[in-house]
Amino acid sequence: AQKVTQAQTEISVVEKEDVTLDCVYETRDTTYYLFWYKQPPSGELVFLIRRNSFDEQNEISGRYSWNFQKSTSSFNFTITASQVVDSAVYFCALSEAWSGGSYIPTFGRGTSLIVHP
Amino acid sequence: GAGVSQSPRYKVAKRGQDVALRCDPISGHVSLFWYQQALGQGPEFLTYFQNEAQLDKSGLPSDRFFAERPEGSVSTLKIQRTQQEDSAVYLCASSSTGTGDEKLFFGSGTQLSVL
Repeated sequence: AQKVTQAQTEISVVEKEDVTLDCVYETRDTTYYLFWYKQPPSGELVFLIRRNSFDEQNEISGRYSWNFQKSTSSFNFTITASQVVDSAVYFCALSEAWSGGSYIPTFGRGTSLIVHP
Repeated sequence: GAGVSQSPRYKVAKRGQDVALRCDPISGHVSLFWYQQALGQGPEFLTYFQNEAQLDKSGLPSDRFFAERPEGSVSTLKIQRTQQEDSAVYLCASSSTGTGDEKLFFGSGTQLSVL
């Protein structure tokens, strides 16, 4: 079973539009961590945000905002006033304890965002 | 260097050939992860090191895959007798803690093509 589901395979918007990328996760742990990463065409995944399961406060960083809702097991990412430079593949990841106590991040399949000028 | 470095950037192998992929993590980083990313997919976990100890190798797809990190810094992922299904981008990531719950720093990956 997919632990992290990103149902949107590809989203296409025009510059300055707002866009929300969905992420739904599945875990039985009470302690876990959620992440978003950006993968531009160069290939290197870049960290955007980390949230722990005890902190449901939404977060805003410039044009980026994140909505964490434990009740629906979702951790959605919104880009306001999108720009061409936002074009990339975005991955949501869940880090939960595996055997031995280590946390291993599991990634979703990613959402490809294309922002047209 | 300042970031995670992987080499080679591209590798073309004939089916049946052995390959070795190298990862130089950020200096001092305790945790090191290897992931496999097929075209159009998300990274799939392969194995995890805490310093020189390989704590989890449950994601390695077969016994043809082997990883090591003998001195707790540089890591090598070796694939023996490569098959076409091994074609993918192999990503290495490191983090400063030994728990795996912190953000990961990724390299640019090694794109392996098996002909």
